[in-house]
Amino acid sequence: AQSVTQLDSQVPVFEEAPVELRCNYSSSVSVYLFWYVQYPNQGLQLLLKYLSGSTLVKGINGFEAEFNKSQTSFHLRKPSVHISDTAEYFCAVTLLLGIKAAGNKLTFGGGTRVLVKP
Amino acid sequence: EPEVTQTPSHQVTQMGQEVILRCVPISNHLYFYWYRQILGQKVEFLVSFYNNEISEKSEIFDDQFSVERPDGSNFTLKIRSTKLEDSAMYFCASSVQLNTEAFFGQGTRLTVV
Repeated sequence: AQSVTQLDSQVPVFEEAPVELRCNYSSSVSVYLFWYVQYPNQGLQLLLKYLSGSTLVKGINGFEAEFNKSQTSFHLRKPSVHISDTAEYFCAVTLLLGIKAAGNKLTFGGGTRVLVKP
Repeated sequence: EPEVTQTPSHQVTQMGQEVILRCVPISNHLYFYWYRQILGQKVEFLVSFYNNEISEKSEIFDDQFSVERPDGSNFTLKIRSTKLEDSAMYFCASSVQLNTEAFFGQGTRLTVV
């Protein structure tokens, strides 16, 4: 069974500072990887995804993430955060199955709450 | 931009009552999901639905839960007899095909009293 670990439950950061949110996963088969963001009182919005190709993926709002297969990691970074980036961030994986009916069950990490301070 | 819509946004129900949470997935999507997030906990998978049947369900999705796609546009989650521990945010999601990202609705906050 797959699992996702987000090592930091909370990350306080000052405005315009960089931030890195760590995500590690374990799986016996290949996976697709995602970062979702949840702003206060809202649903889950896709930030970025890694399906294949370049291991550095760029997403919305200036975020990027790097897939590292040997370290089974998919850390999220932003070089300069804004107050509006205050939210909870979720790393998630789905197994690369060839079974059409299996769908894309996502397994989520516990989330990292980012609080951007002025 | 197409989006997944969920109704109601907040539902309060008495323990033991039945609730139906409603979702309208994105129109050309083929896979549908329900997830839940108990306050302060992880987002957890409940069930996936494809080709008018359940394709996978978690151990949380017991006999009290059921899903239905009654009319080709709505996708519903029914909880037959709610318990206090069913209080959570329930998210509906859909994806267009296998191995693509899921799009989530805004969620329904279910409070069982």
